[in-house]
Amino acid sequence: KNEVEQSPQNLTAQEGEFITINCSYSVGISALHWLQQHPGGGIVSLFMLSSGKKKHGRLIATINIQEKHSSLHITASHPRDSAVYICAVRSNTGNQFYFGTGTSLTVIP
Amino acid sequence: DSGVTQTPKHLITATGQRVTLRCSPRSGDLSVYWYQQSLDQGLQFLIQYYNGEERAKGNILERFSAQQFPDLHSELNLSSLELGDSALYFCASSALRGGELFFGEGSRLTVL
Repeated sequence: KNEVEQSPQNLTAQEGEFITINCSYSVGISALHWLQQHPGGGIVSLFMLSSGKKKHGRLIATINIQEKHSSLHITASHPRDSAVYICAVRSNTGNQFYFGTGTSLTVIP
Repeated sequence: DSGVTQTPKHLITATGQRVTLRCSPRSGDLSVYWYQQSLDQGLQFLIQYYNGEERAKGNILERFSAQQFPDLHSELNLSSLELGDSALYFCASSALRGGELFFGEGSRLTVL
């Protein structure tokens, strides 16, 4: 059983589209992270959330602690947003990290 | 540039051998994390150190060990290597025990 489930696994969008990636988790958490991994392999942390909503430029991340669910939204998507987006949670018992399998996003010009 | 430095970037070795991966965290960060990313298992958390002490342990094999030194750099030692240990090994750092993560570029290990 996976502690973190992401959907969709793959996503293709036209440039300018609004994109949503979903993450559900089954453990109690102290924080949730959204990560971006480009084809070259490097990982960048986009957001760390423990409640509410955060916004960086065209990216918005929300979390609902009661429902154990988070969403990552990309507004006005651009080809440079093409990457794998990974949801990770840090459990509040033992401080373990659990990762989703990632959402591979391709934005077509 | 995240400020986290990992060496080596690439490493090819044979089964049964031992390797050491090194990580220098961002200046001032006290926490260092190690993660493994393989094709079949995705990203997995191995271990976290905070200011020299082990803070959290994940799916780290007994053949693997890590430590954080007084200057805060960390080393991940992998021994008795098997084909299945071939993976990208990422180090990340954070300022606090559980803050925002800053990732290094990774060390790609190939075991032949």
